[in-house]
Amino acid sequence: DPKIIQKPKYLVAVTGSEKILICEQYLGHNAMYWYRQSAKKPLEFMFSYSYQKLMDNQTASSRFQPQSSKKNHLDLQITALKPDDSATYFCASSPWTGSNYAEQFFGPGTRLTVL
Amino acid sequence: GEQVEQLPSILRVQEGSSASINCTYENSASNYFPWYKQEPGENPKLIIDIRSNMERKQTQGLIVLLDKKAKRFSLHITDTQPGDSAMYFCAAMDFYAQGLTFGLGTRVSVFP
Repeated sequence: DPKIIQKPKYLVAVTGSEKILICEQYLGHNAMYWYRQSAKKPLEFMFSYSYQKLMDNQTASSRFQPQSSKKNHLDLQITALKPDDSATYFCASSPWTGSNYAEQFFGPGTRLTVL
Repeated sequence: GEQVEQLPSILRVQEGSSASINCTYENSASNYFPWYKQEPGENPKLIIDIRSNMERKQTQGLIVLLDKKAKRFSLHITDTQPGDSAMYFCAAMDFYAQGLTFGLGTRVSVFP
């Protein structure tokens, strides 16, 4: 059974629209993350959450908003989509935040294409 | 912040030989160094990691070395097999960081 679920697997959007990427983990972890992977910047850290609280935001744009309704759930809302947002978005989790518990496991990813 | 440089970007090795990937980091406070393997269309998978209290770690055909003075760490794949062909990413994290800083990756191809 997959331990980290991301939905949808593929997503096509038009410029200017808004989309929500879903992530749920069943590893019992307390920390969750979003990373982005594109041809320009492979594996770029975006956000980290611990116990549903934002711990770090490395995304310059406010168009990217994480949302956590439950400890094992971290969605990513992207507004005013641009073609440059096209990438694969990976959700990850680890037992806790911080380098002492840093083994991060990645979900299968959502591949977003913005036309 | 942290910056991680990874070399080479492409590595072709003959089956049965060893493959070595090198990474350097800038932040002396970094203390966790994982390696991920990513196959086409798949997610990155953690294959081995090392913490700053160690200089060497080995598991199932993989060896990781860490030189804190030089701020350098490396992955060595021994007795490479076709299944080792993939992208490999190194990463670093310091005690206060929340996310991993990744290198740009090395595409390893194992040929017969």
